[in-house]
Amino acid sequence: QAQLVESGGGVAQPGGSLRLSCAASGFSFSSYGMYWVRQAPGKGLDWVAFIRYDGSNKYYADSVKGRFTISRDNSKNTLYLQMNSLRVEDTAVYYCAKGSGSNSGGRLDCWGQGTLVTVS
Amino acid sequence: QSVLTQPPSVSAAPGQKVTISCSGSSSNIGNNYVSWYQQVPGTAPKLLIYDNNMRPSGIPDRFSGSKSGTSATLGITGLQTGDEADYYCGTWDGSLSAWVFGGGTKLTVL
Repeated sequence: QAQLVESGGGVAQPGGSLRLSCAASGFSFSSYGMYWVRQAPGKGLDWVAFIRYDGSNKYYADSVKGRFTISRDNSKNTLYLQMNSLRVEDTAVYYCAKGSGSNSGGRLDCWGQGTLVTVS
Repeated sequence: QSVLTQPPSVSAAPGQKVTISCSGSSSNIGNNYVSWYQQVPGTAPKLLIYDNNMRPSGIPDRFSGSKSGTSATLGITGLQTGDEADYYCGTWDGSLSAWVFGGGTKLTVL
């Protein structure tokens, strides 16, 4: 059974940095595209970034482009989100999610429990 | 402002039926599969419907999905108090090269 566990959230100052990790288990991590999705307090779901199964293609929301970097280590079954130049409006619960195929599209069929990032 | 448009809220009595709409464009819903997610407050989202009308294992057939053109609809029959949650539609947008969500719909079972 697929499982995703995020870590690395916490409190950061505006302009600061944080790196989130997402440990995957129960499926062939290296075969699937992966997503980061966030949810600000009391708000809806907001897609952040996508990375192809082999890391060759990455896409970002305009709101984080140039500040956040998505990456993966298939040898460690781990997805990352490096967040730099953090802003107050980046405060949210960050979820990693598994795509249904190797590339973008399809569906997000497994979600982690989320990790809270507070920028203040 | 979300790329996909959903009503902010819907409500119905236990046992009744409700539908939630999701409107988009040719660059997203019109040319890609739609999926639906259920989020009970304080928990992570869960896949409810995929490929427009397919249910993952474990999802009861009270939940259904459909798509026509650039719009999609989630239907829930036999409403239960446990169905109270936020529901989101989502799909890939080829023009934006981005995954897009609707703004979410809060379901209240009166």
